[in-house]
Amino acid sequence: DGGITQSPKYLFRKEGQNVTLSCEQNLNHDAMYWYRQDPGQGLRLIYYSQIVNDFQKGDIAEGYSVSREKKESFPLTVTSAQKNPTAFYLCASSIGNTYTGELFFGEGSRLTVL
Amino acid sequence: AQKITQTQPGMFVQEKEAVTLDCTYDTSDPSYGLFWYKQPSSGEMIFLIYQGSYDQQNATEGRYSLNFQKARKSANLVISASQLGDSAMYFCAMRESSGYSTLTFGKGTMLLVSP
Repeated sequence: DGGITQSPKYLFRKEGQNVTLSCEQNLNHDAMYWYRQDPGQGLRLIYYSQIVNDFQKGDIAEGYSVSREKKESFPLTVTSAQKNPTAFYLCASSIGNTYTGELFFGEGSRLTVL
Repeated sequence: AQKITQTQPGMFVQEKEAVTLDCTYDTSDPSYGLFWYKQPSSGEMIFLIYQGSYDQQNATEGRYSLNFQKARKSANLVISASQLGDSAMYFCAMRESSGYSTLTFGKGTMLLVSP
């Protein structure tokens, strides 16, 4: 089945550690996105990529980094510089740079910093 | 300024009744798309319905319809014949044609359907 796979589903990390969240899609979509969701809040954009080897910062990129070496993969690293990393992280993809297309989401990764 | 405003933090509805979830948006872009997503407690985001800024008719998808009032910049979601499985968070979102066209979300409305 086509879709987006995020792993791990749950992740615990100690303060000061970097952690990488995986996002893989087999939908052949050009565009991929990372969103963060805090309790009772909407989704906020961290990073997005419209094409391989290119990505742009979203609204809350500080303390995060990404790479896009392959079309199907868009991993997110939460660095120790992120002040409040405990959150629910959602990866998404879309066909391309068009305002008419919906985003397809993975099931999310829940990160807790101890 | 917020681009998407959902003023109802929570809504209650009885099973089989209809419910309207409010959404207003702000954009100066003449070309944009409006989306509604459902997020059950499991966390996944489920796409429900889309309305384009140039669409003349309101979008419908099964029990979901979008009450699009362009002049008022509102895009309310109407769920008819509510079911217990409709209990979830609902998010309104917008994509504009300018720039890289990412999806901007409102803060959501929690809908609880009672028997």
